[in-house]
Amino acid sequence: RKEVEQDPGPFNVPEGATVAFNCTYSNSASQSFFWYRQDCRKEPKLLMSVYSSGNEDGRFTAQLNRASQYISLLIRDSKLSDSATYLCVVGRDAGNMLTFGGGTRLMVKP
Amino acid sequence: DVKVTQSSRYLVKRTGEKVFLECVQDMDHENMFWYRQDPGLGLRLIYFSYDVKMKEKGDIPEGYSVSREKKERFSLILESASTNQTSMYLCASSSSDFTGELFFGEGSRLTVL
Repeated sequence: RKEVEQDPGPFNVPEGATVAFNCTYSNSASQSFFWYRQDCRKEPKLLMSVYSSGNEDGRFTAQLNRASQYISLLIRDSKLSDSATYLCVVGRDAGNMLTFGGGTRLMVKP
Repeated sequence: DVKVTQSSRYLVKRTGEKVFLECVQDMDHENMFWYRQDPGLGLRLIYFSYDVKMKEKGDIPEGYSVSREKKERFSLILESASTNQTSMYLCASSSSDFTGELFFGEGSRLTVL
């Protein structure tokens, strides 16, 4: 079983739609959680951290469910520019070690 | 603007050749990492370094070695390239007070024939 699992997609949605991605992780000792965004043929970049209480950044909302060991990302009012691959990332026990999921591809259509 | 620079965007090598991938960061970061990214497998950690001359194995170190002689530079070495090392290689750095943000280079796409 992979440590961090994501549906690879693609999720094809029209502009303005709301779309949600989930991700599950296997290590119950994980302490930190993030979403990264990777545009086609570009490097990954941090989108947002995920906090236990949930957090919002504009149109993006991230949630963490420790009991079920899953993380979600909700994107409201999708824009064409949101088209990218979204990587679920889980911190390991300590230090700077991160485990990346395989990514979920989002395609927003006009 | 912060920057992680990888020396080669595209390389084509033959089986058995020695390959050097260079990475330089200008953010005075202590931590540097080498990942490879393959479709369906995500990013997998090869090696990392928390300080000059220090290195630690990641999840898939076999067939690779690294060198960190200066703080800003972290090199990945394939002693004898094999076809299963064809991949996208990504270098990243982070500060010691890590907040979850890795800064990645643009990647080096290596093809081994």
